[in-house]
Amino acid sequence: GDSVTQMEGPVTLSEEAFLTINCTYTATGYPSLFWYVQYPGEGLQLLLKATKADDKGSNKGFEATYRKETTSFHLEKGSVQVSDSAVYFCALSASGGSYIPTFGRGTSLIVHP
Amino acid sequence: NAGVTQTPKFQVLKTGQSMTLQCAQDMNHNSMYWYRQDPGMGLRLIYYSASEGTTDKGEVPNGYNVSRLNKREFSLRLESAAPSQTSVYFCASRRTADPYNEQFFGPGTRLTVL
Repeated sequence: GDSVTQMEGPVTLSEEAFLTINCTYTATGYPSLFWYVQYPGEGLQLLLKATKADDKGSNKGFEATYRKETTSFHLEKGSVQVSDSAVYFCALSASGGSYIPTFGRGTSLIVHP
Repeated sequence: NAGVTQTPKFQVLKTGQSMTLQCAQDMNHNSMYWYRQDPGMGLRLIYYSASEGTTDKGEVPNGYNVSRLNKREFSLRLESAAPSQTSVYFCASRRTADPYNEQFFGPGTRLTVL
């Protein structure tokens, strides 16, 4: 079946550091890929998405590129802020059946001033 | 646009009590979902409704029932609550079940079963 693997956290960084959160997937067909962010005490919200190979999703300084050859969708940001502290979820929705989204377990990011 | 709303925000139950978690969306979305979130487990799908009039089991349906009341509303019922159902419950909706559509999540219901 479909699956998403994310690096375990927490990831702890200082403000203005470079961020990478790794995400790899297995899926049949050609899935759409998503990053969601969950701030403390809130629900998940879409951060960015990519729907076909080589697409780059971007939002709020975050970027991720859909790499079919390595089945990856790593999240990056050049300079993190304290306000980026949250849990980040990688997810996919495969092009088959009822397209139920599959989520990774989430990676907690803590940014210190 | 309120998006996806959930009630209540917090609830404490005793073992064996029943309750219904309410979810509504005002985005005219066809698909709706119920998840539970537990520490270290990520999100686990309980039930979903791909379109009005249909419901299907997800990964962890035992102990739960759902009703897609109309296109806007999708409720989750715990008939006899157990401590293992202590969790944060999220409702989500999606415009259609097509894979390129993202989900929109509610703020969650924090449930404690004593």
